[in-house]
Amino acid sequence: QVHLRQWGAGLVKPSETLSLTCGVVGGSFSDSYWTFIRQPPGKGLEWVGEISPSGVTHHSASLRSRLSLSLDSSTSQVSLQLTSVTAADTAVYYCALSSSRPFFFDHWGQGTLVSVSS
Amino acid sequence: NFKLTQPHSVSESPGKTVTISCSGSGGNIASNYVQWFQQRPGSAPTTVIYEDNERPSGVPARFSGSIDTSSNSASLTISGLKAEDEADYYCQSYDNDNLGVFGGGTKLTVL
Repeated sequence: QVHLRQWGAGLVKPSETLSLTCGVVGGSFSDSYWTFIRQPPGKGLEWVGEISPSGVTHHSASLRSRLSLSLDSSTSQVSLQLTSVTAADTAVYYCALSSSRPFFFDHWGQGTLVSVSS
Repeated sequence: NFKLTQPHSVSESPGKTVTISCSGSGGNIASNYVQWFQQRPGSAPTTVIYEDNERPSGVPARFSGSIDTSSNSASLTISGLKAEDEADYYCQSYDNDNLGVFGGGTKLTVL
């Protein structure tokens, strides 16, 4: 059974960099789109960004200057880095994989709660 | 800026049919595909509809999606409501710059 695993620091200090990695367990998808979504505590979903199989990225306009997405197709892993974080970046971060159709998120990570606090 | 607006909450009785709307503004909702996600408390979202009206395998046929160009809106319809359908539902699409947009989410209560 294919599933996604996420890992990264759960606590980040203000002004530092948030780093998350998402990988596939039980399969390999070298021709897939990856999307990151976040959800502040008690609030709705927010689209963060996506990366295509060829490495083309689209970033949320509000995060563009601080966000970086990278893809390692050989290991089916994608990474997110968000610099200069503030308390407003506290959220559960999800990765989602579109393995068959670009707009079909058929696999989701379990979510990682990242808290920004000193 | 393209924006998607959903009702904050809807409720209906078991066995009935409920429709959740997703109204587009600042752009044409038919220009890009609409997806719908279900999120139960404490869990990651799952896709119930993609590409406007396609159901992933494993999602019951009770779930259907549609687009109404006259009202610039999308809808998720759930028929034969069950207690297990109680969850938050989010619509999602893209703007003309290929940036993702989510609706604010709708809490479905099965009475």
